[in-house]
Amino acid sequence: DARVTQTPRHKVTEMGQEVTMRCQPILGHNTVFWYRQTMMQGLELLAYFRNRAPLDDSGMPKDRFSAEMPDATLATLKIQPSEPRDSAVYFCASDTGLGAGSGELFFGEGSRLTVL
Amino acid sequence: AQSVSQHNHHVILSEAASLELGCNYSYGGTVNLFWYVQYPGQHLQLLLKYFSGDPLVKGIKGFEAEFIKSKFSFNLRKPSVQWSDTAEYFCAVGNTGFQKLVFGTGTRLLVSP
Repeated sequence: DARVTQTPRHKVTEMGQEVTMRCQPILGHNTVFWYRQTMMQGLELLAYFRNRAPLDDSGMPKDRFSAEMPDATLATLKIQPSEPRDSAVYFCASDTGLGAGSGELFFGEGSRLTVL
Repeated sequence: AQSVSQHNHHVILSEAASLELGCNYSYGGTVNLFWYVQYPGQHLQLLLKYFSGDPLVKGIKGFEAEFIKSKFSFNLRKPSVQWSDTAEYFCAVGNTGFQKLVFGTGTRLLVSP
C-alpha cells in the first residue's frame, strides 16, 4: 500500500532550535508539496517541487524556512531558528504531476510541531 | 492567483440530516475542483473531484458536489449524514497544468448521534 511517509510524527522543541522534517513521497510521484495546518489559517501551501526543482515557495517565510529535495525519495523542510508561532501540523503531499490528468494529492500523516 | 472561500467554519447536525457545505473560488482560468476530508487524527483524503463534463460529481460515502460555473461555486452535499461523517472538510482549487492546489480554511462538521 503506497503512502507518503513523514518523520517525525511529533516534535517538541524550544524556541531558537533547528527543526528538520522529512518526507518520503510515493515512489514514482514527481511533485511534492509542503502544507502547514493551523487552527487560524487552515491549510497553507508553503512550497512545492516538481522533479526535485522548486516551483513555488512564496508561501514560506524565507528568513527561517527552507525546503529542499536532495533526491527523488526525500523532501526536507527546515526551520532555523524555530519560534512559537511555527507550532502547527506540517503535511507533505505528493502526486504524479500529470497535471489535469490526476490532481489527487496523497497526504502523509503530518508532523506535529510544538515550539515552546 | 487562486483563492477559495468556505463560509461555514463549524456545522453541527443530527444524524440523518441533510448536509450542504459552501465553497466559492476565485480564479480567472480553467480550474479543477476538489473536496478533501480529514477525519479526527488522520491525514487528508480525497472525497471527490471535478475536472470537466457533468457538473454534478459523485464521490465516496454518498457525497456529491455540484459545479456551478456562473456562481464560481462547488458545494458539497449529502442527503443523510452519519455520525461517522464527523470530520473537517476542505474545498480546494487547482489550476490545470501544474496542479498547485489551494485549500479553503475548512469546515468542521460534527454529527451528533
